[in-house]
Amino acid sequence: DIQMTQSPSTLSASVGDRVTITCRASQSISSWLAWYQQKPGKAPKLLIYDASSLESGVPSRFSGSGSGTEFTLTISSLQPDDFATYYCQQYNSWTFGQGTKVEIK
Amino acid sequence: EVQLVQSGAEVKKPGESLKISCKGSGYSFTSYWIGWVRQMPGKGLEWMGIIYPGDSDTRYSPSFQGQVTISADKSISTAYLQWSSLKASDTAMYYCARGRGVFRWYFDLWGRGTLVTVSS
Repeated sequence: DIQMTQSPSTLSASVGDRVTITCRASQSISSWLAWYQQKPGKAPKLLIYDASSLESGVPSRFSGSGSGTEFTLTISSLQPDDFATYYCQQYNSWTFGQGTKVEIK
Repeated sequence: EVQLVQSGAEVKKPGESLKISCKGSGYSFTSYWIGWVRQMPGKGLEWMGIIYPGDSDTRYSPSFQGQVTISADKSISTAYLQWSSLKASDTAMYYCARGRGVFRWYFDLWGRGTLVTVSS
């Protein structure tokens, strides 16, 4: 199985900060990577697919990059609505990362 | 409106059977895969399996193969997740989600989830 490791597990940041979350795959997954945002008590929401494609309706402050085994999700200027948990998902096979919780500093 | 509507919360005893549902509307249900994702209390997301309602082609994550059954009834645009004998460890939120892609799927539309509680 391909393992996905996200870092950090928790991130404390302030409104307006630039935030970067990393996801590493245990073997190459080309660009088969998506990012999701999940708020407490809610279903996940797709942000990015194919590593860097922005899903329709998602604010442009979200961006994704990477290929192979290392990927990043960047929020260019953190907004109050962005405090949530973020998951990467590789779809070369079946796995999600363990999640990164973005908290208010 | 494009949506997936899941059945309501369930409380069951260990050993009981259960079938939960996910009804799609607002899009061509038979043209997209439907996946199931588990989220145990306070934990992350786990991909269980996926079905193509058009022909019922079904794939399971190795971790869930043999533990659950995924099915679909395209005549009523509904996918199902079922257990024959529940365990306490099946207590979780279960999401259905629409898969986009060709044999490599990410999920672009999610149901609100069905909370399953298994307790004696």
